[in-house]
Amino acid sequence: QVQLVESGGGVVQPGRSLRLSCEASGFTFSSHGMHWVRQAPGKGLEWVAVISYDGSKKYYADSVKGRCTISRDNSKSTLFLQVDSLRPEDTAVYYCAREKTYSSFVNFDHWGLGTLVTVSS
Amino acid sequence: DIQVTQSPSSLSSSVGDRVTITCRASQSIHTYLNWYQHKPGKAPQLLIHAASSLQSGVPLRFSGSGSGTDFTLTISSLQSEDFATYYCQQTYSVPTFGQGTKVEMK
Repeated sequence: QVQLVESGGGVVQPGRSLRLSCEASGFTFSSHGMHWVRQAPGKGLEWVAVISYDGSKKYYADSVKGRCTISRDNSKSTLFLQVDSLRPEDTAVYYCAREKTYSSFVNFDHWGLGTLVTVSS
Repeated sequence: DIQVTQSPSSLSSSVGDRVTITCRASQSIHTYLNWYQHKPGKAPQLLIHAASSLQSGVPLRFSGSGSGTDFTLTISSLQSEDFATYYCQQTYSVPTFGQGTKVEMK
């Protein structure tokens, strides 16, 4: 079955960088766009970034543009999110999600359990 | 970006109640609207896609309706396992989520 397992979270000081990973299994990873979504403590879901199935297209939320880089390694079925210049407001659980597209409709049909990033000195 | 506004932000209901959550988009998104259920410590789960299509495996008591700017998620008879937070999401443009509706036990 489809599995998405995030890793790489932890406690990090403001201004530092972190690289999150999402290991996928149970489906053809290279056929799907992939997203990162985050949830700050006590807040709702916030979309962060998307990468196309082949890595050729990438889009970011305004809140992270210029500080985040999404990438993927299809040979290893792994998605990445590099977050630089971390701020306290980046503290959140970061989820990866698989994109399902049919016709022009898009949804996120599978999600991981998330990895917690805490930005604190 | 297109904004989506959910209401209410929280509600208290009992098992067996009919529950309705609404989502309003800041511009027409046709039917590019999904609904998710999220429980603490769990992965969010897709319930409804394209405004009214039930995701495979989701109980029939969940239904969605609407088009344009106004959408509704309905739980026809609330079950104990349905106490959770529900989010709408538009995918007409860069994805955005509503702020969530927490369904609590009365």
